[in-house]
Amino acid sequence: AQSVTQLGSHVSVSEGALVLLRCNYSSSVPPYLFWYVQYPNQGLQLLLKYTSAATLVKGINGFEAEFKKSETSFHLTKPSAHMSDAAEYFCAVGAGYALNFGKGTSLLVTP
Amino acid sequence: NAGVTQTPKFRVLKTGQSMTLLCAQDMNHEYMYWYRQDPGMGLRLIHYSVGEGTTAKGEVPDGYNVSRLKKQNFLLGLESAAPSQTSVYFCASSSVEGSTDTQYFGPGTRLTVL
Repeated sequence: AQSVTQLGSHVSVSEGALVLLRCNYSSSVPPYLFWYVQYPNQGLQLLLKYTSAATLVKGINGFEAEFKKSETSFHLTKPSAHMSDAAEYFCAVGAGYALNFGKGTSLLVTP
Repeated sequence: NAGVTQTPKFRVLKTGQSMTLLCAQDMNHEYMYWYRQDPGMGLRLIHYSVGEGTTAKGEVPDGYNVSRLKKQNFLLGLESAAPSQTSVYFCASSSVEGSTDTQYFGPGTRLTVL
C-alpha cells in the first residue's frame, strides 16, 4: 500500500533561513507525490506535485521538492523562509482514486 | 468561480442526532471526495465518487453515508452522530483521478458532537 511518513510534526525556522520539511514514501509502484499547504482555518491547496516528468519539482511561493528514488524521499525546501510561510504542510501519495496523506508538519517562522 | 464550497461551516450536534454536510463544486469535476482531519492524524478518506450516481468507501467509512445525485454536489450524512465523529470535514474535487492530479479543497466544516 502507498503511504508517506513526515518526519517532525513541528519545525521552527527563523525568517530568512532555509526551510526543509521531510517526507519519505512507501510505494509498490512508481508514485505520484504531492505537497499541500494549509493556512490557518482554511482548506488545503496544492504546492507542487511529482508525476515522474522531472525529479526536481518547482511549486508556488518559491517552494521546490526533489524526488529521490534511492532514498524514497520527497523533501520540501525553500531557500529563505518568510513569515507568511507559517502553515501546516502535508505530504501525500496517490493511492487508488485518492490520496494518502502524511500526518502533517506545522511550520513556525520566527522573526 | 466559487470553486469548492461547503455548508455549513460550523455545527454542534448532540450524540445520536443526524445531519448532512453539503459540498458543491462549479468546475465540472467528475471526482469528489470527503476527508476528515483530526489532530496529529493528517487527512483520512471517508468516501469518494468517480462520477454522478456513483460512490465508494474510503479508509474510514463507518458511521457515514454519501450521495452524488448531481454531478456538482456530494453529500455526507451522519445518521447517528457520535463524539468520535468530532472533526473537521473537507470536501475536495478533481477533474481526473485525484491520485494523479490536483485536488481542490473546500474551506472545511468544523463539527462537534457532544
